Amino acid sequence: DVQLVESGGGLVKPGGSLRVSCAASGFTFSPYVMNWVRQAPGQGLEWVASISGSSTYIYYADSVKGRFTISRDNAKNSLYLQMNSLRAEDTALYYCARESELAGLFDFWGQGTPVTVSS
Amino acid sequence: EIVMTQSPSTLSVSPGERATLSCRASQSVSNNLAWYQQKPGQAPRLLIYGASTRATGIPARFSGSGSGTGFTLTISSLQSEDFAVYSCQQYNDWPQTFGQGTKVEIK
Repeated sequence: DVQLVESGGGLVKPGGSLRVSCAASGFTFSPYVMNWVRQAPGQGLEWVASISGSSTYIYYADSVKGRFTISRDNAKNSLYLQMNSLRAEDTALYYCARESELAGLFDFWGQGTPVTVSS
Repeated sequence: EIVMTQSPSTLSVSPGERATLSCRASQSVSNNLAWYQQKPGQAPRLLIYGASTRATGIPARFSGSGSGTGFTLTISSLQSEDFAVYSCQQYNDWPQTFGQGTKVEIK
């Protein structure tokens, strides 16, 4: 079965940094585009970033561009999100999501890891 | 970017009854529309894609319809496990965008 397990979330002060991870299993990781999607408390889902299988193509939402970096290690079946210059509005549950063969459609998700930005 | 608007925000339904959820796009997304189910502490689950195609393993009581800017998710006879938040998403244009969700609660 496909499994995506996020980790690394926590409490961080404004301006701080945090790296969250996603461990993938149950499928061949390297060919798939992978994404981070977040959900702030009481809000809808928001796509954050995506990375192609070979890391050639990387895209970010305008809200995080220049502050967040998505990366992957296909040998470790892992996805990462490095978050710098964190703001209160980055507080959210961060999900790892696999993109299907249909671009932009997310067929499997993890349970999420919470990130709280507060002083 | 395309704005997705869902209505109602909350839907109170008795078990066994039908639930009808709406999703509207600010411009046409053709049939590139998906529905997801979210429960607290669980991974979001893909229910419907292509506006009307059920994902693998999704029960037949879930159905989707619509195209262009107006879409509907229907749950024909609500089971206890169906009380959750449902979100629509367009993947026609970049960036893909989501609605704010409809919470289906027990009446």
